[in-house]
Amino acid sequence: DVVMTQTPPSLSVAIGQSVSISCKSSQSLVYSDGKTYLHWLLQSSGRSPKRLIYQVSNLDSGVPDRFSGTGSQKDFTLKISRVEAKDLGVYYCAQTTHFPLTFGSGTKLEIK
Amino acid sequence: EVQLVESGGGLVQPGRSMKLSCAASGFTFSNYGMAWVRQAPTKGLEWVATISYDGSSTYYRDSVKGRFTISRDNAKSTLYLQMNSLRSEDTATYYCTRVRNFPYWGQGTLVTVSS
Repeated sequence: DVVMTQTPPSLSVAIGQSVSISCKSSQSLVYSDGKTYLHWLLQSSGRSPKRLIYQVSNLDSGVPDRFSGTGSQKDFTLKISRVEAKDLGVYYCAQTTHFPLTFGSGTKLEIK
Repeated sequence: EVQLVESGGGLVQPGRSMKLSCAASGFTFSNYGMAWVRQAPTKGLEWVATISYDGSSTYYRDSVKGRFTISRDNAKSTLYLQMNSLRSEDTATYYCTRVRNFPYWGQGTLVTVSS
């Protein structure tokens, strides 16, 4: 199974600061079609997960450009610039390249 | 607007069965693979099963193989998860989502396995 190692497990940041979340996979996430199926999700308290970024760096519609995703092969990063109060919640990376599909353990973002 | 609406959860005794449904709307259901993902209380997300767009291929995590069956009815735009021989460790909120990129998620349905 592909292990997704996500760090840090939690972050406490002030409004306006920038943060980065790391996600490292135990295998390359490049599929045979050349695409990399690594996605970022946000789960706000009591809500369903919501996708923010798909295939490493593609922002979903309505997601502010304060969010950005980078990386390749086995090493990926989600960056949030100028954190706002509405950004709080748990962030997950997820890979859909290999079965079983796997998720990172989550990063809980709290606002100071 | 895309909607995924799960139903069928509740309290069930260990060893018993339960069937979950997910009604889809707002997209051409028959064109996409679908999946079930679960989340145990206070835990992270865990993939359960995936089914191809036409139902011809299915995939399961090891811990549910032989106990759970994912299926779909494209005429009704509905996804199902038949869960047999339920265990306490199956207690979770079950979400349906579209693959391959997880663009949409339902609100989830809570399954509690307890005597």
